[in-house]
Parts: sequence; structure tokens; C-alpha cells
Amino acid sequence: ILNVEQSPQSLHVQEGDSTNFTCSFPSSNFYALHWYRWETAKSPEALFVMTLNGDEKKKGRISATLNTKEGYSYLYIKGSQPEDSATYLCAFFGGSNYKLTFGKGTLLTVNP
Amino acid sequence: DAGVTQSPTHLIKTRGQQVTLRCSPKSGHDTVSWYQQALGQGPQFIFQYYEEEERQRGNFPDRFSGHQFPNYSSELNVNALLLGDSALYLCASSLELGTGRAYEQYFGPGTRLTVT
Repeated sequence: ILNVEQSPQSLHVQEGDSTNFTCSFPSSNFYALHWYRWETAKSPEALFVMTLNGDEKKKGRISATLNTKEGYSYLYIKGSQPEDSATYLCAFFGGSNYKLTFGKGTLLTVNP
Repeated sequence: DAGVTQSPTHLIKTRGQQVTLRCSPKSGHDTVSWYQQALGQGPQFIFQYYEEEERQRGNFPDRFSGHQFPNYSSELNVNALLLGDSALYLCASSLELGTGRAYEQYFGPGTRLTVT
């Protein structure tokens, strides 16, 4: 059974703070690591799909890094805004199958 | 360009009944995956359909079945509903890139199923 862990489970920050959270996943049979943002009452939205060890991706104020050898990825948000409030999910795509295995997510609340 | 759509948005059923949920993928996508999200959990993979065949299945009983149509839309059927089947059911579509793998997935808004 694949284990994808996310921490922290929830996070409250003030507007303007920078923050980061962690996703850990199996280091064997790695194919891809996905990050999704899920706002309340909306569909999960893909942020990044990362495939290479050492990959760094950036979209506006959000960036992510990937370490496949040790099995972790960090998501960073610089200068958090209230509209960043959402659940951030990571998902592991393994090398021998077609399914995404999700973590439970990190719920981020940005207070104005 | 319409994204992934799901119907219905909400559904209330009684234990023992059967339910069918529907999904239309994003235009141009040929692969559909279904996920169940129970309270406090991440989405759990149910199965994936490609070329009208179930390509892979997660740890769900045979009460969960599906279908993909020639236009790539898909249905999820659940028989003999249990209280524990109450969850948000998400459909995601993606484009098979010819390497045998599915990449970035586009999710629908989900169907909230309540079993009483």
C-alpha cells in the first residue's frame, strides 16, 4: 500500500506571510508528483506536475521543489493572500500503474 | 472550452439502492478516472477508463462498476449502497500521451452522495 503523507494538516497564516508545506512519498518506482489546489466548492486545480529529481517549478507566487531520492516535495507560497486559502493536495504517480495516490491535503487559511 | 462536468451535483439515496453518476471529460481528453473522497481523507482512486475499457482498479469492491462510452464520457455505478459509501465522488479526465501514461488530470466539481 502506497503512503503519501502531507504536513501540516492545517495552517493559519496572516496576509503577507510566506509559508511552505511538505509532501512525502515512496522513493521507489517514482514517475511523477502532482500538486493540486482545491478551493471550497470548486474543482481541484492542477498546480504542478513534477517528474525529475531536483525539479523546481514556479507559478506566480507559488513554487515547488522535488527530491525523488529521499521522497519529498515542498510547496512554497510567497506573500500569502486570502485568495490562496484552499486545500493543497499532493499525489504520487507510481511507475507500474496508472493511478494517482493522494495525500490528505494541507488546509491553508490566510487571514486578512 | 467546457471543462469536466459531472451530474448530478447532489444525491440522496437509501441503503441497498443503486446509483449512477455521470461524467463528461474535458474536450479532447480520452481517459477518465474516478475518485472517492470521504470526509477527512484525500481522494481515493476507484478506477480508470481508457478506450472504453477499465484499465486499472483501486481497492474498491465489485459493487463499484463503471463504463466509458465512445464519446469518452463515463458512468460510475454503485450497487447495494452502504452508509459508508457517502462521500464526494470526483471524476478526472486526462489525455493519454501515447506512452501508456496519463498526465495532468482535470477534475470535475464532484457529486456529493449521501446514503441514509
